[in-house]
Amino acid sequence: DAKTTQPNSMESNEEEPVHLPCNHSTISGTDYIHWYRQLPSQGPEYVIHGLTSNVNNRMASLAIAEDRKSSTLILHRATLRDAAVYYCILRANAGGTSYGKLTFGQGTILTVHP
Amino acid sequence: NAGVTQTPKFRILKIGQSMTLQCTQDMNHNYMYWYRQDPGMGLKLIYYSVGAGITDKGEVPNGYNVSRSTTEDFPLRLELAAPSQTSVYFCASSSHQRAGGRYEQYFGPGTRLTVT
Repeated sequence: DAKTTQPNSMESNEEEPVHLPCNHSTISGTDYIHWYRQLPSQGPEYVIHGLTSNVNNRMASLAIAEDRKSSTLILHRATLRDAAVYYCILRANAGGTSYGKLTFGQGTILTVHP
Repeated sequence: NAGVTQTPKFRILKIGQSMTLQCTQDMNHNYMYWYRQDPGMGLKLIYYSVGAGITDKGEVPNGYNVSRSTTEDFPLRLELAAPSQTSVYFCASSSHQRAGGRYEQYFGPGTRLTVT
């Protein structure tokens, strides 16, 4: 499975934008880039995903490099509730034999200061 | 919808005891997964299922067994518990029919298991 590399931790102030980077230099052409986050004492939750184009949803934006070897999750205005571990995951096409399986790394611990 | 529910929330086992962690989803998802998460680490896949009657091993299956007799339920069985199985266990489910590559996994709240 292709792997991702993320910083161990990042800090932000409340109301400021946060850019969480992820490197995935061995990504294959059919791998989707998924982001999940895990709030303290909870299970992970889906944030956003993309294949080639930048994506926006109500939670965040995902900027994908043209060569797809890196991506950045953007939280436009961090709140205290955004403090969590953020996981960048490459998911193979679920239509094949991967069955949508996710391989979690250690993620980035985001601390948000009031 | 309740989503993915897990019971129990907490459990303490003695070495050598057995137990079953329960997982139920009400979203009619075909895919279900069991993960474990050790302190400070990411989740590791134990077993997964692509439908009733079909299960397969993940990354760390030793010491565990699963069954999938219905779409809704995916119990995880621990036989002869060992201290190395002290962890938080998460169950998740996913639809196999989702356009655009989303296939998001929905996670339960977890079961915190201690083996002493």
